[in-house]
Amino acid sequence: EVQLVESGGDLVQPGGSLRLSCAGSGFTFSSYWMSWVRQAPGKGLEWVATMRQDGGEKNYADSVKGRFTISRDNAKNSLYLQMNSLRAEDTAVYYCARTQRCRTTTCLYRGLAGEGFDYWGEGTLVSVSS
Amino acid sequence: DIQLTQSPSSVSASVGDRVTITCRASQDVSGWLAWYQQKPGKAPKLLIYATSTLEGGAPSRFSGSGSGTDFIFTISGLQAEDFATYYCQQVNSFPWTFGQGTKVEVK
Repeated sequence: EVQLVESGGDLVQPGGSLRLSCAGSGFTFSSYWMSWVRQAPGKGLEWVATMRQDGGEKNYADSVKGRFTISRDNAKNSLYLQMNSLRAEDTAVYYCARTQRCRTTTCLYRGLAGEGFDYWGEGTLVSVSS
Repeated sequence: DIQLTQSPSSVSASVGDRVTITCRASQDVSGWLAWYQQKPGKAPKLLIYATSTLEGGAPSRFSGSGSGTDFIFTISGLQAEDFATYYCQQVNSFPWTFGQGTKVEVK
């Protein structure tokens, strides 16, 4: 059974830092692009960052670029999100999500990272407030 | 960046109804559009990917169609467990983006 378990969420002051972790199990972690998605209280979903299997490619939302860093340790089946210079607007539930692998040759030919998020963790809450 | 606009923002419906949600992209996403269902306090669940492919385990009453910039998500025969919020997402190019969501409520 595929499982993703996030941890590390906490209450932090503006300008502070936090590191989130996501432990994957039940699948070959090193074979998948992995992502972070967040959801502010009462709001919609916002993609945050995505990382290639080997760590060679990382992509970020403009809202976090330069402040957040996605990383992974395939030997530990773990994904991380280092969050620096936190702001009140970063307050959200942060989800770890597995990016579904390409299931069509077209997707592979296009070099897409995947076709959606097929498994999600339960999320971890980050609150940024003084 | 590709903007996704869902409509309506909310819809009131009854069990058995047919519900249709549209997702319009600000530029061509080449069919790389997914749909998710989210219930309160829970993580989203993938229902449809690549415009119209049903994710394994998702009920067949869910369907998707469209191309280019205009996409439709349909629930044919709404069930009690379908009252939730639905999101579209494009994975054609980074930054990936979600629509703002459509809440399906009890009429």
